[in-house]
Amino acid sequence: AQKITQTQPGMFVQEKEAVTLDCTYDTSDQSYGLFWYKQPSSGEMIFLIYQGSYDEQNATEGRYSLNFQKARKSANLVISASQLGDSAMYFCAMREGLNSGGYQKVTFGTGTKLQVIP
Amino acid sequence: DTGVSQDPRHKITKRGQNVTFRCDPISEHNRLYWYRQTLGQGPEFLTYFQNEAQLEKSRLLSDRFSAERPKGSFSTLEIQRTEQGDSAMYLCASSPSPGTGHLREQYFGPGTRLTVT
Repeated sequence: AQKITQTQPGMFVQEKEAVTLDCTYDTSDQSYGLFWYKQPSSGEMIFLIYQGSYDEQNATEGRYSLNFQKARKSANLVISASQLGDSAMYFCAMREGLNSGGYQKVTFGTGTKLQVIP
Repeated sequence: DTGVSQDPRHKITKRGQNVTFRCDPISEHNRLYWYRQTLGQGPEFLTYFQNEAQLEKSRLLSDRFSAERPKGSFSTLEIQRTEQGDSAMYLCASSPSPGTGHLREQYFGPGTRLTVT
């Protein structure tokens, strides 16, 4: 089974509208973290938002919020008030083994390409 | 700039040649990771260092690949006898150790794009 599943290869959104990018995950760990990264065409991975498995509140960072539904194992990214500069690839990722002192495996999804239309 | 840096940013090589990439992590980060990203995919884990010790290696890392972090600071990734299938973006990331910072994310460098002709 895929650890991280992003079912939307591409999405379009009108400028100033909100958009939700889907992410489901699979883990047997009790302690894990979920991330979203943005990758513009220039290639760098830009951290957007983090949600810990024990966090009771959904994470928010400016225009980004993470809709965390633990029972459904989903961690969707919501971008509000989309801007042209939001056009990029978006990757969902999961870090497992947070309670271990050693390597904490990070697995990425295949990404969603978001295009913001003026 | 105190972010993760990688050198070179682009490398074009002929099949069969050896290439070496360098990564300079954020100075206070003792954990360093290498990933490979092919077109249309997310980054795939290659290897992980804690200080100078290489603690994890992916099965993706064939015998032609070797990584070092000799003094626990910068790291090198060498690919010997390159093949066309090695063409990809090679990403380096670093993170602080537990207890010294938060574990929220890895900080990525800009990547080295390798093209094998």
